[in-house]
Amino acid sequence: GEDVEQSLFLSVREGDSSVINCTYTDSSSTYLYWYKQEPGAGLQLLTYIFSNMDMKQDQRLTVLLNKKDKHLSLRIADTQTGDSAIYFCAESWGDYKLSFGAGTTVTVRA
Amino acid sequence: IAGITQAPTSQILAAGRRMTLRCTQDMRHNAMYWYRQDLGLGLRLIHYSNTAGTTGKGEVPDGYSVSRANTDDFPLTLASAVPSQTSVYFCASSDSSGSDEQFFGPGTRLTVL
Repeated sequence: GEDVEQSLFLSVREGDSSVINCTYTDSSSTYLYWYKQEPGAGLQLLTYIFSNMDMKQDQRLTVLLNKKDKHLSLRIADTQTGDSAIYFCAESWGDYKLSFGAGTTVTVRA
Repeated sequence: IAGITQAPTSQILAAGRRMTLRCTQDMRHNAMYWYRQDLGLGLRLIHYSNTAGTTGKGEVPDGYSVSRANTDDFPLTLASAVPSQTSVYFCASSDSSGSDEQFFGPGTRLTVL
């Protein structure tokens, strides 16, 4: 796989915006993904971006992609307590395979 | 069945024992995967299968084997479990088209003593 790095923890106040950052190494990745894992559950796809796009917006979620710097970010607007979870960045490589970061634990405080 | 199921939910196993983790999907996806999740390391790919009858090694295949006799099932076997295989194991599948989104099962928590 390839190396995907992200910070491990983020604490945010309810109602504020959250920004989770990720760097990846494989410049040939076709897609980059954000997955969400709630306690005791598997991962669920939140959103993804095609590598020829710079930005994708989906309701409260905004994904920014800087291919030059191999940097991906996820912004969650108006963060709610239900957004508390682990968020994984992932890049595609090879045949249908994904390489995941270590995950960012987001804690939303009142 | 809807999506991916895994069994058992959790298991405590003595070192040296053989164990098979089961995974079944009903979405007719051609590709399936096994990951292990360890704190601070994220998900690491153990084995994968692009289509029924074929398998491949991921990042951490040692001590594990898989088979893919049909489209729906992708069991993971630990021939002789060791404590370092204590982890949460996730099975996933994808239809290898479009966004290559992977769908995950609920996981199996395995403890090897």
